[in-house]
Amino acid sequence: DAMVIQNPRYQVTQFGKPVTLSCSQTLNHNVMYWYQQKSSQAPKLLFHYYDKDFNNEADTPDNFQSRRPNTSFCFLDIRSPGLGDAAMYLCATSRAGDYNEQFFGPGTRLTVL
Amino acid sequence: AQSVTQLGSHVSVSEGALVLLRCNYSSSVPPYLFWYVQYPNQGLQLLLKYTTGATLVKGINGFEAEFKKSETSFHLTKPSAHMSDAAEYFCAVSAKRNNDMRFGAGTRLTVKP
Repeated sequence: DAMVIQNPRYQVTQFGKPVTLSCSQTLNHNVMYWYQQKSSQAPKLLFHYYDKDFNNEADTPDNFQSRRPNTSFCFLDIRSPGLGDAAMYLCATSRAGDYNEQFFGPGTRLTVL
Repeated sequence: AQSVTQLGSHVSVSEGALVLLRCNYSSSVPPYLFWYVQYPNQGLQLLLKYTTGATLVKGINGFEAEFKKSETSFHLTKPSAHMSDAAEYFCAVSAKRNNDMRFGAGTRLTVKP
């Protein structure tokens, strides 16, 4: 089945220790998104890639970076995690022109100690 | 720009009762509208979507929603709630020619036995 895969599902890191979250997709969609979701809140868009074009949301902290080495993979790098970065991180994909319907991965829950 | 307002952060119904989750949108162009469901520690799953055509759309798990342009609404309904419907529900809006999807704050549905 075509899908969006996120690894790991649970990640524990220490305050200030860099961490990378991974997302891969078998849908061959050209748009990939990263969202941050805190408890009982809506997903908050951090950035997205349209093909290789990176689009950063204006209020996304510089501490968050992303890489998309190819169509299938996208990474979220948190350079110096703070306690406030503990959240669920959701990856999603869409096919441009396809009504923007987004397909979500299961998420990675990040804990910062 | 588009936005979504979900009325009621918590809705509680009895098993077998009608489920009604309210969503109002704002969009300067014809919107695409979505309802997603999220179970604990999981990603978002598409329930249904409105893009064009028939204004009453049916989705998975017995849910349906009606696009009412005059009321700028896209309320989600299910005739008879099941215990397994307990989850967080998000209404979302996007529009042609952009890759953005804007989520409402979410409504947590509780189903009482």
